[in-house]
Amino acid sequence: DIQLTQSPSFLSTSVGDRVTITCRASQGISSYLAWYQQEPEKAPKLLIYAASTLQSGVPSRFSGSGSGTEFTLTISSLQPEDFATYYCQQLHSYPLTFGGGTKVEIK
Amino acid sequence: EVQLVESGGNLVQPGGSLRLSCATSGFTFSAHFMDWVRQAPRKGLEWVGRTKSKTYSYTTEYAASVKGRFTISRDDSKNSLYLQMNSLQTEDTAVYYCAKSVRWGDRSYMDVWGKGTTVTVSS
Repeated sequence: DIQLTQSPSFLSTSVGDRVTITCRASQGISSYLAWYQQEPEKAPKLLIYAASTLQSGVPSRFSGSGSGTEFTLTISSLQPEDFATYYCQQLHSYPLTFGGGTKVEIK
Repeated sequence: EVQLVESGGNLVQPGGSLRLSCATSGFTFSAHFMDWVRQAPRKGLEWVGRTKSKTYSYTTEYAASVKGRFTISRDDSKNSLYLQMNSLQTEDTAVYYCAKSVRWGDRSYMDVWGKGTTVTVSS
């Protein structure tokens, strides 16, 4: 199975900050990676797919990059509604797997 | 508007069975892969399994943790997805989400999720 390691697992930051979350795959997954945002007690929401394609309706402050084994999710200027947990997911091969999550909290 | 509504979650004893349903609307259900994802209390997301569309022979894929115990099925005539869970264990306690997947290139990404239904396995 392909393991995804996210870092950091926890991030304390402020409104307006630039945030970068990394997701590393245990083997190459081309660009078959998605990023999700999950607010407390809510369902996950797709932000980015195919590593760098912004889902319709998602603000342009979110961006994704990477291929192979290393990927990043960047939030250019953190907004109050962005405080949530973020997950990466690989769709290269079954079983599909998620990273452990990165919780972004207000400093 | 695309909607996915899960139901069937309940308290069940270890070793018991439960069937979850996901009623959908607002899109052509038959054309899409559909997934189940779960989240144990205070834990991360875990993919449970997937059913592909008729074009792909309704092939199913499962996580190792549920293979042989859980069965995913779909009824395209009812725009509904199901998860039959047998031999339930305490570690199956979770919120179960169904998700619609959209094709991009040669992969399908989970673009819309339901609100989830809660399964508690406890004696």
